[in-house]
Amino acid sequence: AQSVSQHNHHVILSEAASLELGCNYSYGGTVNLFWYVQYPGQHLQLLLKYFSGDPLVKGIKGFEAEFIKSKFSFNLRKPSVQWSDTAEYFCAVNARAGNNRKLIWGLGTSLAVNP
Amino acid sequence: GAGVSQSPRYKVAKRGQDVALRCDPISGHVSLFWYQQALGQGPEFLTYFQNEAQLDKSGLPSDRFFAERPEGSVSTLKIQRTQQEDSAVYLCASSSFRENKADTQYFGPGTRLTVL
Repeated sequence: AQSVSQHNHHVILSEAASLELGCNYSYGGTVNLFWYVQYPGQHLQLLLKYFSGDPLVKGIKGFEAEFIKSKFSFNLRKPSVQWSDTAEYFCAVNARAGNNRKLIWGLGTSLAVNP
Repeated sequence: GAGVSQSPRYKVAKRGQDVALRCDPISGHVSLFWYQQALGQGPEFLTYFQNEAQLDKSGLPSDRFFAERPEGSVSTLKIQRTQQEDSAVYLCASSSFRENKADTQYFGPGTRLTVL
């Protein structure tokens, strides 16, 4: 069965620190990859996505992610976090097989940024 | 423009009651998805519609769960004879269908169901 693994469940950083959140998936075929963010009290919002092309994708608020096919990974990065980045971050994968359109999700990473 | 809306935002049900959760997708979006998110977990897929056709219901956990989208717009997720393990946030998402399958799902605020 397809699965998504997020390596860090809780991360605490100080402002201006660099961030990297790991995401690995288990599926050998073509995939669409997503990072979603959920700020406190708000709904899930798309941070960035990869469908094809350049494996380094840039999203909103200075976030980026790199798709490494050989490692089945799609890690999220930000060079300098802000207090406002405090949120829950979810990695999600869609296996592009047949008519499959469902997203398989990781457990999420809770990020707390101290001012 | 208006995003995905869901109602009610909160629902408390006694065990054994039936509940109905509503989702209004983004106008013009032909694809609609339901997910269940338990506390401390990531969302889990329940079912998917393309217009009024339910193309994938592989994630529905039991025959107590039923979803419909009769006119290809608003969708209702119904849970019969609710159990405590049904307590979760139920998320709805919509997307504009693309033939190359490169579509993005946009999420509503969710309905938090608590079964006592």
